[in-house]
Amino acid sequence: DVKVTQSSRYLVKRTGEKVFLECVQDMDHENMFWYRQDPGLGLRLIYFSYDVKMKEKGDIPEGYSVSREKKERFSLILESASTNQTSMYLCASRTPGGATQTYEQYFGPGTRLTVT
Amino acid sequence: RKEVEQDPGPFNVPEGATVAFNCTYSNSASQSFFWYRQDCRKEPKLLMSVYSSGNEDGRFTAQLNRASQYISLLIRDSKLSDSATYLCVVNNNFNKFYFGSGTKLNVKP
Repeated sequence: DVKVTQSSRYLVKRTGEKVFLECVQDMDHENMFWYRQDPGLGLRLIYFSYDVKMKEKGDIPEGYSVSREKKERFSLILESASTNQTSMYLCASRTPGGATQTYEQYFGPGTRLTVT
Repeated sequence: RKEVEQDPGPFNVPEGATVAFNCTYSNSASQSFFWYRQDCRKEPKLLMSVYSSGNEDGRFTAQLNRASQYISLLIRDSKLSDSATYLCVVNNNFNKFYFGSGTKLNVKP
């Protein structure tokens, strides 16, 4: 079974703080993702990474950055946390896919971040 | 226009009922389709991929209609444990996944 873990389940930070969210997967997947989930808006892609040190912006990258120094670890950084970044943050990794397989994503348990 | 649209529900059904959800997608070039299940305050978990010919996994049947750009999920003999939010997910290329907002199902005793 794919295992994706996230460093914290719940986090409370103050406005202006720098926040690090860590994600680790154990399946040697090349592709990893950070989403946020808000009521009524579904999951929205912040950033993804397709290899070590490689990253691409998703649909809502503003206010966030990412780091992928090792294949198994993908970090999301909030440079200066704001109240509108209060959300559930979900990390995922993706199967390699191929001719007979679809690309399937597996999610970590999520980090519920509150910025006050 | 949203990439993926779902009826948010809730669908309230008795145990043993059959229930169906639909989901529409806007990009005709979409390649892969999935249903995920999400319990309250938990992460989404893959329920099943949806294949062009339709596929079944126990009490769950998924169908894809490319001409009308919708996918469906049918749950037979509903159990209390099926109560959850069901997310429709569409993949447009290898790293672009679009999620519906989810359909909430409540199965009542």
